[in-house]
Amino acid sequence: QSALTQPPSVSGSPGQSVTISCTGTSSDVGSYNRVSWYQQPPGTAPKLMIYDVTNRPSGVPDRFSGSKSGNTASLTISGLQAEDEADYYCSSYTTSSTWVFGGGTKLTVL
Amino acid sequence: QVQLVESGGGVVQPGGSLRLSCAASGFTFSSYGMHWVRQAPGKGLEWVAFIRFDGSSKYYTDSVKGRFTVSRDNSKSTQYLQMNSLRAEDTAVYYCAKAKEMATDYWGQGTLVTVSS
Repeated sequence: QSALTQPPSVSGSPGQSVTISCTGTSSDVGSYNRVSWYQQPPGTAPKLMIYDVTNRPSGVPDRFSGSKSGNTASLTISGLQAEDEADYYCSSYTTSSTWVFGGGTKLTVL
Repeated sequence: QVQLVESGGGVVQPGGSLRLSCAASGFTFSSYGMHWVRQAPGKGLEWVAFIRFDGSSKYYTDSVKGRFTVSRDNSKSTQYLQMNSLRAEDTAVYYCAKAKEMATDYWGQGTLVTVSS
């Protein structure tokens, strides 16, 4: 049950696009289209942003999009806004019927 | 609206026990699986346990197997996490979260568990 691999930090200027990667294995990300992404501003509970690789819950702006290729999933945020500054975590269902999170990525809006 | 309220956290000595509760409202609790996720101070999220909507199946991360037990009472719309043989590395904010497909769409605000002598 090793954590998924995310870059520790990414940054971008307002209006730009950023992409956060999430690398797993054939036992998790590569096995199912069951990758989700969470946004966590400091001191708050996580919020679901993407589920099942590409689906956005109601209320999440379409600036947030997800994709997957092989064992790596990605979250892209376009038209970056100051309010997007937060920690982002990916998660995947696994072949062991468990779940695993990534180590988290701190997004800084310059 | 969906609400999840955790309780039961506190300070406990190594080797001690604690039971967390998560009271749910705003949705049909008995129709959804539920998760526990924890976050050590300044660290990332770690999935802990999952219980199916009817309690028929339970799953745990390796580090808590044999020590933690997840359960639920659908008549009270509440899930529980019984934590035994607690270790310093179990110190974290524990979140209760509602399942949506294989993700989690609602989270509580968390309850802090501190394991320290």
